[in-house]
Amino acid sequence: GQNIDQPTEMTATEGAIVQINCTYQTSGFNGLFWYQQHAGEAPTFLSYNVLDGLEEKGRFSSFLSRSKGYSYLLLKELQMKDSASYLCAVLPAGTALIFGKGTTLSVSS
Amino acid sequence: DVKVTQSSRYLVKRTGEKVFLECVQDMDHENMFWYRQDPGLGLRLIYFSYDVKMKEKGDIPEGYSVSREKKERFSLILESASTNQTSMYLCASARGREGEQFFGPGTRLTVL
Repeated sequence: GQNIDQPTEMTATEGAIVQINCTYQTSGFNGLFWYQQHAGEAPTFLSYNVLDGLEEKGRFSSFLSRSKGYSYLLLKELQMKDSASYLCAVLPAGTALIFGKGTTLSVSS
Repeated sequence: DVKVTQSSRYLVKRTGEKVFLECVQDMDHENMFWYRQDPGLGLRLIYFSYDVKMKEKGDIPEGYSVSREKKERFSLILESASTNQTSMYLCASARGREGEQFFGPGTRLTVL
């Protein structure tokens, strides 16, 4: 079957670094996405990984290890506005994107 | 600026009513998707479409149907609404299967 796991909730303080992990088991692999979703809003795209390694984009980085079925999203210099849900999504072979249940990140001052 | 719009932000319907949720994208994307999002369950795919007049079932198609008569428009239909279909419904579009998905603002549907 297809399965994506990520922690339900995480907390952190302003200025800190937080790592949100995602593990997956899917039939085939054509890429992994991270989305950010603020409460009451639609998800917005953060990153896409299809090859092993780290992709850096400003304060956000995403890492992928295909052999381990593992990814993480790294958020640096946390700000209050980073309080949101972070969704890990995997594109398996032959079908549409599968989303994890999301990790709700709370950033406090 | 890319845009996906949905016909309503909030909708209240009665059990048994036929409900139409409309989604329009202006990016000439081939792929369009309908999801529902519920607390603790995440985003679940209802139906998707890779081309006009083409549709494929997602993970939870029961009780729903879709229509894609034009490339820019993808409609979700609840033939006979039930209370367990109360949810947030999100539409998305993407260029190609590997493309990032752009989401509409969502429709919060309440079925009484």
